[in-house]
Amino acid sequence: DQQVKQNSPSLSVQEGRISILNCDYTNSMFDYFLWYKKYPAEGPTFLISISSIKDKNEDGRFTVFLNKSAKHLSLHIVPSQPGDSAVYFCAAIAIDGQNFVFGPGTRLSVLP
Amino acid sequence: DAGITQSPRHKVTETGTPVTLRCHQTENHRYMYWYRQDPGHGLRLIHYSYGVKDTDKGEVSDGYSVSRSKTEDFLLTLESATSSQTSVYFCAISEAGGTTEAFFGQGTRLTVV
Repeated sequence: DQQVKQNSPSLSVQEGRISILNCDYTNSMFDYFLWYKKYPAEGPTFLISISSIKDKNEDGRFTVFLNKSAKHLSLHIVPSQPGDSAVYFCAAIAIDGQNFVFGPGTRLSVLP
Repeated sequence: DAGITQSPRHKVTETGTPVTLRCHQTENHRYMYWYRQDPGHGLRLIHYSYGVKDTDKGEVSDGYSVSRSKTEDFLLTLESATSSQTSVYFCAISEAGGTTEAFFGQGTRLTVV
């Protein structure tokens, strides 16, 4: 049973608009959450993270929101650019944990 | 970019043969991980290490073994490769586990024929 879920396998957005990628988790022990971006034939690249003591973290065009009661987080990209087209993975880890658990990924396509 | 090197980058091997993938880091990070990426499954943890000679199993460890004799090297071995082990394998490193991010290598594409 997947502990980290990304229920949308793919998402298409027009350039300049907002992209919203969603992630749900089931393990209440998770305390730290991360988003990774992956281009074909490359390794995943760290994008942004959030600790469970916060509900929002912002870095340039990227904002991650965390709703602990709903066990839900989302990544907002504003404005979306064609170079953002990639697979995005949500990941989680417990604060005293040793390994990261990843979701299945969402493929984002930003259309010019 | 974090100093992580995976070798080989590509390999084709026959069913039943042993295969070893190598991950080398220059960051002196404590934690090292091996993941495999398959369509529909994302990244699944095979094994990880929390120090020299300290390793533990992940979600999909059957058919794989690991060794870490030095801080900088983490080896993944398929004792007898099967077609179900055809995948892209990623090594990752992390300084402190639960409070820091993990950094990934470029991946190794393994095909078992």
